[in-house]
Amino acid sequence: KAGVTQTPRYLIKTRGQQVTLSCSPISGHRSVSWYQQTPGQGLQFLFEYFSETQRNKGNFPGRFSGRQFSNSRSEMNVSTLELGDSALYLCASSLGGEGEKLFFGSGTQLSVL
Amino acid sequence: DAKTTQPPSMDCAEGRAANLPCNHSTISGNEYVYWYRQIHSQGPQYIIHGLKNNETNEMASLIITEDRKSSTLILPHATLRDTAVYYCIVRGWTTSGTYKYIFGTGTRLKVLA
Repeated sequence: KAGVTQTPRYLIKTRGQQVTLSCSPISGHRSVSWYQQTPGQGLQFLFEYFSETQRNKGNFPGRFSGRQFSNSRSEMNVSTLELGDSALYLCASSLGGEGEKLFFGSGTQLSVL
Repeated sequence: DAKTTQPPSMDCAEGRAANLPCNHSTISGNEYVYWYRQIHSQGPQYIIHGLKNNETNEMASLIITEDRKSSTLILPHATLRDTAVYYCIVRGWTTSGTYKYIFGTGTRLKVLA
């Protein structure tokens, strides 16, 4: 069974640009959640999608948005990039029920110059 | 939001048991305790989770105190490949009735040859 796939693996952008990251969950998983990881702040929850609906949201500005498609694949978009957005962005999938474990992808390393 | 507190680092001799503590004194009755580990910029890997009872699987054991305010992850025979950052996580419920994962700062475990 294929794991969680994130593309691209590395990305370099400049301030003010926007970026879209992609996440393909494990087959059959309906929940996809996104996390930002930086050396200073650690792992922080961005948002979670379940059956194409945003179910949970962390404390990030509106520049961070996401969506989920009918096949459960998810995209995350960051507009008007800032230097502080440089981070490892991780997505995780699960069946979405209570007590379910998350399966993480390898992440997208975003560098904003 | 339920928070976790972990020691920033620990060392363990290869072949010995590694006992990683976590404090989650504000945990609510229906919140699970999860443990994940992350090896150098890869996505976190699920280890184990529990609600009230102690749990064991092929990777580790999870001991949760009776009052559920703390837990200990036990790696029975640590190997060099267990060197990683270990995260204790409480799956917290928001006031709107949804949930999100709250990651602590983790414990950097170094297994020594």
